[in-house]
Amino acid sequence: KAGVTQTPRYLIKTRGQQVTLSCSPISGHRSVSWYQQTPGQGLQFLFEYFSETQRNKGNFPGRFSGRQFSNSRSEMNVSTLELGDSALYLCASSLLTGNTGELFFGEGSRLTVL
Amino acid sequence: SQKIEQNSEALNIQEGKTATLTCNYTNYSPAYLQWYRQDPGRGPVFLLLIRENEKEKRKERLKVTFDTTLKQSLFHITASQPADSATYLCALGRRRAGNMLTFGGGTRLMVKP
Repeated sequence: KAGVTQTPRYLIKTRGQQVTLSCSPISGHRSVSWYQQTPGQGLQFLFEYFSETQRNKGNFPGRFSGRQFSNSRSEMNVSTLELGDSALYLCASSLLTGNTGELFFGEGSRLTVL
Repeated sequence: SQKIEQNSEALNIQEGKTATLTCNYTNYSPAYLQWYRQDPGRGPVFLLLIRENEKEKRKERLKVTFDTTLKQSLFHITASQPADSATYLCALGRRRAGNMLTFGGGTRLMVKP
């Protein structure tokens, strides 16, 4: 079956702009989590959505937001971009939430902020 | 504050040997621990999960141990192959925290032929 699909794979923005990233989970998976990966901070949890509801949120400013649609597809948005937002944004899907099972990650969206 | 430490230096071993990677944590009470593999430019791939009440888990050439007293997990790859070269990440999860994981910084493993 198809894996987790993230679009776009690469994008370049300038400071102050906003960006929307998209994630299509594996068919049947209802949980979508977002992570930010940078060389300095590693992988950091942004938020998790399950059945269109945000279940958990990491320690990121309010400029980072997300949502999940009824078909489980998810989007995350970053407003007023800063240089430090340059990172690989990874989406992961799972059948359920809190089942301690594996997360299936996409290939990521690499954002560069100039 | 919570801290999950993995050896940030690359681990270089010879093909056929056993690779042992370490994950130490402080100020954290995990309900479970997972190990992932990440290749350059790719997303992490799940390898193994071990729960707080389990001491050891095996899967083919992989073995993970979990010592909640020492606050440490060891990840072993036996009969290592050059194809095992990658970055390995440990991740901890809590009860009632959904799928929120806290990741270590990863250890890069290089297996030389």
